[in-house]
Amino acid sequence: EAGVAQSPRYKIIEKRQSVAFWCNPISGHATLYWYQQILGQGPKLLIQFQNNGVVDDSQLPKDRFSAERLKGVDSTLKIQPAKLEDSAVYLCASSAGTGGSNTQYFGPGTRLTVL
Amino acid sequence: KQEVTQIPAALSVPEGENLVLNCSFTDSAIYNLQWFRQDPGKGLTSLLLIQSSQREQTSGRLNASLDKSSGRSTLYIAASQPGDSATYLCAVQGDYKLSFGAGTTVTVRA
Repeated sequence: EAGVAQSPRYKIIEKRQSVAFWCNPISGHATLYWYQQILGQGPKLLIQFQNNGVVDDSQLPKDRFSAERLKGVDSTLKIQPAKLEDSAVYLCASSAGTGGSNTQYFGPGTRLTVL
Repeated sequence: KQEVTQIPAALSVPEGENLVLNCSFTDSAIYNLQWFRQDPGKGLTSLLLIQSSQREQTSGRLNASLDKSSGRSTLYIAASQPGDSATYLCAVQGDYKLSFGAGTTVTVRA
């Protein structure tokens, strides 16, 4: 079974530029998550999708971050414009459903550096 | 709100010594607890998952215990090796959210 795929693996941009990350979840997984992990901290949930609907985006900085999952499968996370403090690893995860009994499986992450 | 704490934040040991990593959480209403390994700038690798009804899980040199009533878990790594150097994160699964600790960064000296 293929795992969660993410691209690119690394990205370096200058502040005020825009950037987009892509995630393809495990086949058949209805729930998709984007996390931000700043150096020295645990991952923080940015947004959770159930199929193509948003379940939780309470910690997404909506003035600069956006995410979509149009067909209920893969997803993109965009930052526009980027700030220095957006430098982090962006992790995508998926699970079969929502709720505590569903284990989340993580992708390899995208390391973003904003100069 | 679930708070997950990992102590110590960093640990340095000589090769061959056993490692003991601690994780505590404030809300005992969890479905499971998971230990992850993370290499610098990389994603998360799941090491062990303990269901709330279980007391421990073992995989090779790794053993994790869970005491849900006291809100604690411990990850033991036997006979540490330089390749064990990484950050270890614990995460607890609640009704709708996976809550992470900040991790313990381990250095195993050859």
